[in-house]
Amino acid sequence: GDSVTQMEGPVTLSEEAFLTINCTYTATGYPSLFWYVQYPGEGLQLLLKATKADDKGSNKGFEATYRKETTSFHLEKGSVQVSDSAVYFCALMHQAGTALIFGKGTTLSVSS
Amino acid sequence: DGGITQSPKYLFRKEGQNVTLSCEQNLNHDAMYWYRQDPGQGLRLIYYSQIVNDFQKGDIAEGYSVSREKKESFPLTVTSAQKNPTAFYLCASSKGLASYNEQFFGPGTRLTVL
Repeated sequence: GDSVTQMEGPVTLSEEAFLTINCTYTATGYPSLFWYVQYPGEGLQLLLKATKADDKGSNKGFEATYRKETTSFHLEKGSVQVSDSAVYFCALMHQAGTALIFGKGTTLSVSS
Repeated sequence: DGGITQSPKYLFRKEGQNVTLSCEQNLNHDAMYWYRQDPGQGLRLIYYSQIVNDFQKGDIAEGYSVSREKKESFPLTVTSAQKNPTAFYLCASSKGLASYNEQFFGPGTRLTVL
């Protein structure tokens, strides 16, 4: 079945460091891919998405490119801030699916 | 402001009790979902509904029940048959089930069994 694998955390960075959180997926066809962010005690917010191969999603300085050949959707940010500290979830929705399939989440902690 | 509200924020239940978690949306979305989140885990789908008076089981529906009598509302009941109900429950909605539709999430309800 469809699945999403994320790098395990926690990821600990200093402010202004470069961030990469790896995400790979297994799915048939052409799923849509998403990154969600969850701040402590809150629900999830959509960070960015890509619906077809080679699409680049971007928002708030974060970027991720849909790579069909490597089945990946890695999240990157050039310079993280303390306010970026949160849990990040990679997710997919299959074309014929009904709901999101999530990775286990990666906790990011940024210190000043 | 449009959005999704969930209540209560925290809920405590004694073993053997049924409890109902509320989810309301004013986004005029057709589809609604319930997910369960456990520590260190991703979200898992409990139930979803595409339209009023219709709902389908997700991956972990055992011990849960739902209703969809109104477009705006999708309450989740955690029954005594759910063996390990302590978790964070998230409700979501989207315009439809198509894969390109963004799902919007509520703030969640944290359920603890005493």
